[in-house]
Amino acid sequence: SAVISQKPSRDICQRGTSLTIQCQVDSQVTMMFWYRQQPGQSLTLIATANQGSEATYESGFVIDKFPISRPNLTFSTLTVSNMSPEDSSIYLCSLRVQGSDTQYFGPGTRLTVL
Amino acid sequence: AQSVTQLGSHVSVSEGALVLLRCNYSSSVPPYLFWYVQYPNQGLQLLLKYTTGATLVKGINGFEAEFKKSETSFHLTKPSAHMSDAAEYFCAVSDQPNQGGKLIFGQGTELSVKP
Repeated sequence: SAVISQKPSRDICQRGTSLTIQCQVDSQVTMMFWYRQQPGQSLTLIATANQGSEATYESGFVIDKFPISRPNLTFSTLTVSNMSPEDSSIYLCSLRVQGSDTQYFGPGTRLTVL
Repeated sequence: AQSVTQLGSHVSVSEGALVLLRCNYSSSVPPYLFWYVQYPNQGLQLLLKYTTGATLVKGINGFEAEFKKSETSFHLTKPSAHMSDAAEYFCAVSDQPNQGGKLIFGQGTELSVKP
């Protein structure tokens, strides 16, 4: 397995502001993903973070709201822009190592928007 | 399109009793199937997975699951529940890695273990 860290682990933010979440892994991975877990709900894929190019977004998620960067193979950021209380969720980074069929998850960032 | 259905959002068992968490999937291609566990205020941890080969797979903490293609099921079991098993359990299905490897999750089942 790989070691995945996320920062911050939790935050409380005001409506209308933006928060950038960082994901750092300890090995060079093929694919990195960002998921959202709304309160009491399951996980929903936001996007696949592509190294050196624009992320691939799932239906219902757009770049203006959730800009993603991945400048290298071990680091990615997700920004939650112009936040509203509906954005209160746990945001999780995950990765799949080259040659593996398994995704591993970071500890998550617990976001509360007031 | 792939999908996962977990029957029962909450399951309660007594300590020492059998744990059975149900998962059914829909997939147009041979599925890769996973069970993850989420302890309170933590991320997801892989319990076990099925990709190809033996249909009965064993995972960590005494859990196992059996892939039944005819029933499109991948139920999770443990012979004897322990208090430390109390958590949220997610079943997930994936395209084969060379087709994107995205995970589709079920709604989750919260397992409670009574002393």
